Amino acid sequence: NAGVTQTPKFRILKIGQSMTLQCTQDMNHNYMYWYRQDPGMGLKLIYYSVGAGITDKGEVPNGYNVSRSTTEDFPLRLELAAPSQTSVYFCASSYRVYEQFFGPGTRLTVL
Amino acid sequence: QKEVEQDPGPLSVPEGAIVSLNCTYSNSAFQYFMWYRQYSRKGPELLMYTYSSGNKEDGRFTAQVDKSSKYISLFIRDSQPSDSATYLCAMSGPNNAGNMLTFGGGTRLMVKP
Repeated sequence: NAGVTQTPKFRILKIGQSMTLQCTQDMNHNYMYWYRQDPGMGLKLIYYSVGAGITDKGEVPNGYNVSRSTTEDFPLRLELAAPSQTSVYFCASSYRVYEQFFGPGTRLTVL
Repeated sequence: QKEVEQDPGPLSVPEGAIVSLNCTYSNSAFQYFMWYRQYSRKGPELLMYTYSSGNKEDGRFTAQVDKSSKYISLFIRDSQPSDSATYLCAMSGPNNAGNMLTFGGGTRLMVKP
């Protein structure tokens, strides 16, 4: 099993550009999550999904959108990128409440 | 006030030392208490979890939960350079339809040979 995979690993965007961060899991987990991690600030939940077709906002959803058309995939869309969105983005999936499996992250810089 | 507080460190110790990492929290509804380990430029991975109060031991690692004080700890015995990482505490409560976790900010640990 590959677990949770994310692409790309790194990306530099110009202000106002858009992009999609891809996330795929092969563990057949219903729950999936997108987090951002800023230095010393822990993980902040952007969006989450409890199953295909069902998504909901987390703590910091502004400037982002998600969709969940399949169990495996949970892409995160950034529209009109801003410098405040410079961060490391992690996708995760889970089956049990106490264990989330994380991807390797995407490092995004907005200049 | 943040819902989960964690000293950011860095905490620097010599190899072989006993390490104590701690978190405090404000939500008395939390029932699951987790410790995640994150190596540099990697995603977090679950190290240990505890349900409700008490202790749990796994090799060199011991997790403690004191719900009356809203305080959790992770102890690492005989610390190794390979333990150098950021340790994140995380918590979850009942009626959590999304299995969502609330994370602390992480403590960076450095174990020097």
